[in-house]
Amino acid sequence: EVQLLQSGGGLVQPGGSLRLSCIGSGYDFSKYGMTWVRQAPGKGLEWVSHITSGGYTTDYGDSVEGRFTISRDNSKNTLYLQMNNLRVEDTARYYCAKGGGYSTGYGPDAFDFWGQGTSVTVSS
Amino acid sequence: DIVMTQSPDSLAVSLGERATINCRSSQSVFYSGNNNNYLAWYQQKPGQPPKLLIFWASTRESGVPDRFSGSGSGTHFILTINSLQAEDVAVYYCQQYYSIPITFGQGTRLEIK
Repeated sequence: EVQLLQSGGGLVQPGGSLRLSCIGSGYDFSKYGMTWVRQAPGKGLEWVSHITSGGYTTDYGDSVEGRFTISRDNSKNTLYLQMNNLRVEDTARYYCAKGGGYSTGYGPDAFDFWGQGTSVTVSS
Repeated sequence: DIVMTQSPDSLAVSLGERATINCRSSQSVFYSGNNNNYLAWYQQKPGQPPKLLIFWASTRESGVPDRFSGSGSGTHFILTINSLQAEDVAVYYCQQYYSIPITFGQGTRLEIK
């Protein structure tokens, strides 16, 4: 059974930092791209960042470019999101999601499994 | 960026009836190299993560009931839910994975009339 177990998150002041983690199990973690998607309270889904299966290529949404860093350790089946210089508008529930392999090459993908999400609140 | 626009924002349908949700993209998400539309549909129930229903615009994910179907091509797509059940109450999102940045529609809230 595929599972994505998330940790990290919490309350942080503006300008602070947090690191989110997502451990995949039940599948070959190293073979699939991974993504972070966030959802502000009462709002829709916003794509944050993507990393290819080997970790060699990363992409970011404009709102987080230069502040967030996505990475993965395939030896630990773990995905990370390092969030620096956090802003009030980064307050959201953050989901990690597994690429379904429906992309062309290492391109963007649809997501067949999602973590339960972790809450990030940025407030003074 | 490809803008995804869903309509309506919300709808109420009677149990056993059909629900139809539209999704339009600001540019085509059809790739002629493999004749696929890079369009997915998700269902999100309160307090839960999204669940993949449809990929390639019309292919049902494993385990998704066949009352859910997707259609359309290019820039206009439709999610149809036949014989609406109480457990189908949720917010539905379309998503394009044709290009970065990946973008989602704003969501359509489906309720029982």
